[in-house]
Amino acid sequence: QLQLVQSGTEVKKPGASVKVSCEASGYTFTSYGINWVRQAPGQGLEWMGWISAYNGNTKYAEKFQDRVTMTTDTSTSRVYMELRSLRSDDTALYYCARDRGYDILPKPSMDVWGQGTTVTVSS
Amino acid sequence: QSALTQPASVSGSPGQSITISCTGTSSDVGGYNYVSWYQQHPGKAPKLMIYDVSNRPSGVSNRFSGSKSGNTASLTISGLQAEDEADYYCNSFTSSTNFVVFGGGTKLTVL
Repeated sequence: QLQLVQSGTEVKKPGASVKVSCEASGYTFTSYGINWVRQAPGQGLEWMGWISAYNGNTKYAEKFQDRVTMTTDTSTSRVYMELRSLRSDDTALYYCARDRGYDILPKPSMDVWGQGTTVTVSS
Repeated sequence: QSALTQPASVSGSPGQSITISCTGTSSDVGGYNYVSWYQQHPGKAPKLMIYDVSNRPSGVSNRFSGSKSGNTASLTISGLQAEDEADYYCNSFTSSTNFVVFGGGTKLTVL
């Protein structure tokens, strides 16, 4: 069925990197983009960036531009989000979410969401 | 501070209607018809309720409707039910270098 399945919980030290995966199934992977959205404990949703599964084109929020990289692997229908130089305020639940924008820009109607990956940054 | 402004909380009694506003600028809400609304219950992933200002995905109750006037989008829930109690978020495409912006979220309480 239509779903996005994310990798498991991560615990990292400040300054480290984390790489979260998101595996798509139940639809044509390259016909959509994927957004990454995070939610700190008790806080709202924050958009991090978008990647086209069609051509690998990326758009990142300014806040994360220098620290995030999003990639795709069409052979496994997976999208990856790597966040570097982790800080304590990066502690959050990270979601991947499908986007109709598939080539140039996101069209932020996120209709399928992963289950979320908890990333904890602590010394 | 979120780019889109939503009220922190709204409430209503079962059967009533409520409206949640989402105010942006001409660079986002006012400039594009790419406004969406999401419902999030505690401990769950968000669920798309409205897209492109006023379209409902398949399976979403017709008690949920969306609209836009100028730089403000609105989500209306009619015939409130206990299960509608949740957090609601709007988002929009933006011409700024951030591309996508969310509202801060609105907690809906069904009295």
